[in-house]
Amino acid sequence: SQKIEQNSEALNIQEGKTATLTCNYTNYSPAYLQWYRQDPGRGPVFLLLIRENEKEKRKERLKVTFDTTLKQSLFHITASQPADSATYLCALDIWTNAGKSTFGDGTTLTVKP
Amino acid sequence: EAQVTQNPRYLITVTGKKLTVTCSQNMNHEYMSWYRQDPGLGLRQIYYSMNVEVTDKGDVPEGYKVSRKEKRNFPLILESPSPNQTSLYFCASSPRTGGLNTEAFFGQGTRLTVV
Repeated sequence: SQKIEQNSEALNIQEGKTATLTCNYTNYSPAYLQWYRQDPGRGPVFLLLIRENEKEKRKERLKVTFDTTLKQSLFHITASQPADSATYLCALDIWTNAGKSTFGDGTTLTVKP
Repeated sequence: EAQVTQNPRYLITVTGKKLTVTCSQNMNHEYMSWYRQDPGLGLRQIYYSMNVEVTDKGDVPEGYKVSRKEKRNFPLILESPSPNQTSLYFCASSPRTGGLNTEAFFGQGTRLTVV
């Protein structure tokens, strides 16, 4: 089955810096990859979706890249703020098994003022 | 307001006592799914449904049942709960059809403890 690994459990950065989170996957080539934000005790909230034929997607201070050769997605938050502190999850689906989805364990980002 | 509603939010039960966690969405979404979230294991898919009367197993279906008799509701049934089913459960819905995907909307979660 497909497997997702997110770079580290925790990432601490200073306010104003760019946070970069990594999502690596194995075994399959996903049709698309999604990033979610999750706050403690709450459900994940969708942030961005990128398709296999897209290299980059942006939304305000967020940027996602998708490298199907490296089997990797990078998620960037520029000009980070303490309010960006949360756990960020990546998730992937594949065309051949529509309906099944796999999530990474998440990376907990802490932005210090 | 567009939302996915789960009930109950918190539940403590005893081993073997059947329970149902309800999930309802008001967005007319085709796709619904259940996940459990455990420390160190992330979100794991239990069951999903591509449409009414169509359900399929996710990665961890053992010990769970679901039904999709109408589009808006997708209850999760634990016929004989065991302590290893203690977890945080999330329901999600999405307008996806076929192999395409769009954003998923998650419920607020149900924290289940089986003693």
